[in-house]
Amino acid sequence: EAGVAQSPRYKIIEKRQSVAFWCNPISGHATLYWYQQILGQGPKLLIQFQNNGVVDDSQLPKDRFSAERLKGVDSTLKIQPAKLEDSAVYLCASSLEVGTEQYFGPGTRLTVT
Amino acid sequence: AQSVTQLGSHVSVSEGALVLLRCNYSSSVPPYLFWYVQYPNQGLQLLLKYTTGATLVKGINGFEAEFKKSETSFHLTKPSAHMSDAAEYFCAVSDLGSNYQLIWGAGTKLIIKP
Repeated sequence: EAGVAQSPRYKIIEKRQSVAFWCNPISGHATLYWYQQILGQGPKLLIQFQNNGVVDDSQLPKDRFSAERLKGVDSTLKIQPAKLEDSAVYLCASSLEVGTEQYFGPGTRLTVT
Repeated sequence: AQSVTQLGSHVSVSEGALVLLRCNYSSSVPPYLFWYVQYPNQGLQLLLKYTTGATLVKGINGFEAEFKKSETSFHLTKPSAHMSDAAEYFCAVSDLGSNYQLIWGAGTKLIIKP
């Protein structure tokens, strides 16, 4: 069974630029999560999708972050414009349903200079 | 609000020694409890989980954890550390009240001394 795929693995941008991350969940998983993990901290949930609907985006900085999951499969997370404090690893995870085990992708390490 | 506390941001043990990583949580309803491991430049991998039933849970790579409701703890142990266990370990909790969203601890970096 293929795992959660993410790309790119690494990205370096200057502040005020925009960036997009892509995630392809495990086939058949209805729930998809985007997390932000700052060095030395646990992951912080940014947004949770159930199929192509948003379940929770209460911690997503909506003035600069956006995410979509068209067709209920893969998803993109965008930051525009980026700030220095957005430097982090962005993790995507998926699960069969809400409350079931989450499987994580390798993450995208973003450096904003 | 729920919270998870992992005691010690870094734990150092000798190879072959007992590993003990501590996790305490706050939850007003029966929780689901998880331990995840993160190797450098990799995503998070589930080590073990407690949902219901037996309070001693065995996971991968020889790790186990015990749910102690009276102590609101879910400490992770391994009898004999191996160099390959060096990684960061995260405890997480979820419950119905949070719509089963994972609430994470800050992580403990396990260092194995030869």
